[in-house]
Amino acid sequence: KAGVTQTPRYLIKTRGQQVTLSCSPISGHRSVSWYQQTPGQGLQFLFEYFSETQRNKGNFPGRFSGRQFSNSRSEMNVSTLELGDSALYLCASYPGWGTNTEAFFGQGTRLTVV
Amino acid sequence: AQKVTQAQTEISVVEKEDVTLDCVYETRDTTYYLFWYKQPPSGELVFLIRRNSFDEQNEISGRYSWNFQKSTSSFNFTITASQVVDSAVYFCALSRQGGKLIFGQGTELSVKP
Repeated sequence: KAGVTQTPRYLIKTRGQQVTLSCSPISGHRSVSWYQQTPGQGLQFLFEYFSETQRNKGNFPGRFSGRQFSNSRSEMNVSTLELGDSALYLCASYPGWGTNTEAFFGQGTRLTVV
Repeated sequence: AQKVTQAQTEISVVEKEDVTLDCVYETRDTTYYLFWYKQPPSGELVFLIRRNSFDEQNEISGRYSWNFQKSTSSFNFTITASQVVDSAVYFCALSRQGGKLIFGQGTELSVKP
């Protein structure tokens, strides 16, 4: 069974640009959550999607957005990039919403903003 | 508000030593879930254990064991006879529902040969 796939693995962008990150969950999983990991703030929850609907959102500015498609794949978008957006972005997949089973994480996308 | 505190930022041990990673949590919920994840250098978080708030039984899995004490809001993780392959960052996390995990700051464990 394939794991969670995140693309791209590495990305370098310039301040002011926008970026789209992709996450393909484990086959059959319907929930996807996104997290930002930085040395200063640690792991912070961005948002969660289930059945194409955002179910939960963390405390991030509106520049951070996401969506989920009918095949459960998810994308997150960051517009008007700032230097502080440089981070490892991790995606997690779950069988369903509210089940509190373990999350399966991808290897992440390392975003560097210059 | 929910919060997870891992007071130990870094721990260094020599192989075969036992090591305990501390985790203290705060929540007003009566139903919640606690987790431990391991993050190797490759970046992905690897699930180790989940415990719900109504199950205070300690658990042992091979060299790993967990001690959950609601009275002190702690969920500590012990590695017995540590090995070099145990070197990683370990995260304790708390969840009330669904996929929103509240993580501690992590403990970087270094096991030297």
